[in-house]
Amino acid sequence: QSALTQPRSVSGSPGQSVTISCTGSSSDFDGYNYVSWFQHHPGKAPKLMIYNVTRRPSGVPDRFSGSKAGNTASLTISGLQAEDETDYYCCSYADNYTSVVFGGGTKLTVL
Amino acid sequence: QVQVVQSGAEVKKPGASVKVSCKASGYIFTSYGITWARQAPGQGLEWMGWISFYNDNINYGKKFQGRTTMTTDKATSTTYLELRSLRFDDTAIYFCARIAVNTLAIDSWGQGTQVTVSS
Repeated sequence: QSALTQPRSVSGSPGQSVTISCTGSSSDFDGYNYVSWFQHHPGKAPKLMIYNVTRRPSGVPDRFSGSKAGNTASLTISGLQAEDETDYYCCSYADNYTSVVFGGGTKLTVL
Repeated sequence: QVQVVQSGAEVKKPGASVKVSCKASGYIFTSYGITWARQAPGQGLEWMGWISFYNDNINYGKKFQGRTTMTTDKATSTTYLELRSLRFDDTAIYFCARIAVNTLAIDSWGQGTQVTVSS
């Protein structure tokens, strides 16, 4: 599978909202509600922020939300904070749940 | 609490093999799975494969089939990733992470293991 397509970078000012998109083929997303989003500070362990498209693990602020429409999943971060500045990756399952495909990653800059 | 702890950094020559370990604790090991991914310098995350302890299925990414083996010692809750015939472009940070079999969420990641391939 090719990687899911994410914008290379997005930016926003403190307090604003930003949305990061993640586009895949129908074989990546069709019928699969297992899209996840990870926050990744380089050199550290990735952190799960959203799973199953919209669900938030305990401890993740409700400023982070997920959605999906057709072949595009989205991560929205509202009330941007300086600490949100880092890389974000989407991922999904494919091939009848036998493989995982990641997005190329998006660098979020808080202006 | 859930912990996933990986082995330390490795330096290998081209053509050699490397084996990275991933020890889990704080949960019922056989109720989850373990996945492996890597991040090369300046690149994004790349999925390598996953092993489900629910049904003992192992799935490898197409790019890594034939050169990668994932094994598990259930007695010590430790999973191993072996990568053979190393090339310079295998230099990367290798991560393992827990997969919840009911939600398929990759919810707890190891700290990463730096593997450097250098002559």
